[in-house]
Amino acid sequence: KAGVTQTPRYLIKTRGQQVTLSCSPISGHRSVSWYQQTPGQGLQFLFEYFSETQRNKGNFPGRFSGRQFSNSRSEMNVSTLELGDSALYLCASSLELGDEQYFGPGTRLTVT
Amino acid sequence: GNSVTQMEGPVTLSEEAFLTINCTYTATGYPSLFWYVQYPGEGLQLLLKATKADDKGSNKGFEATYRKETTSFHLEKGSVQVSDSAVYFCAPSGGGFKTIFGAGTRLFVKA
Repeated sequence: KAGVTQTPRYLIKTRGQQVTLSCSPISGHRSVSWYQQTPGQGLQFLFEYFSETQRNKGNFPGRFSGRQFSNSRSEMNVSTLELGDSALYLCASSLELGDEQYFGPGTRLTVT
Repeated sequence: GNSVTQMEGPVTLSEEAFLTINCTYTATGYPSLFWYVQYPGEGLQLLLKATKADDKGSNKGFEATYRKETTSFHLEKGSVQVSDSAVYFCAPSGGGFKTIFGAGTRLFVKA
């Protein structure tokens, strides 16, 4: 069974631009979560989706948004990029809410 | 609000030493408890889990017991190896508790 895939793997953007990251969960998994990982802040929860509905949201500004499609694939969008948004963005999928999560390799975003 | 507190690192041990990484959480419900590990240059992966009180999760020689009375889930291993060098994350999830990861504890094991 294929693992969680994330595209693109690397991205360089400039301040003020917007970006869309994509995540394909493991087949059959209905829950997708997104995290931001930085050396200074560690692993921070962004949001969690289940059956196309956002179930939980972390403490991030409204510039960060996401959605989940009927095939469980998910995208997250960051608008008006800031230098501090440079990070590794991780997607994780699970069968159900609260189950063990399987992580993708991440998308490394660099904002210049 | 809900939170998780994890032992700060880095932790440096010699091979075959005993390891304990403390993790405590606060929650209004009864979450499932997980330990995840990130080896150098690799992605995050599940190490072990426990879904209810007094459950013991175990994998690769690591163990952790779900202690409801102390809201803790401490990670232990009797004899660490150099290959155990990694960052370990405690993460309660579910039971009305959105997944929150601890700050991570970096473990260095010296030969």
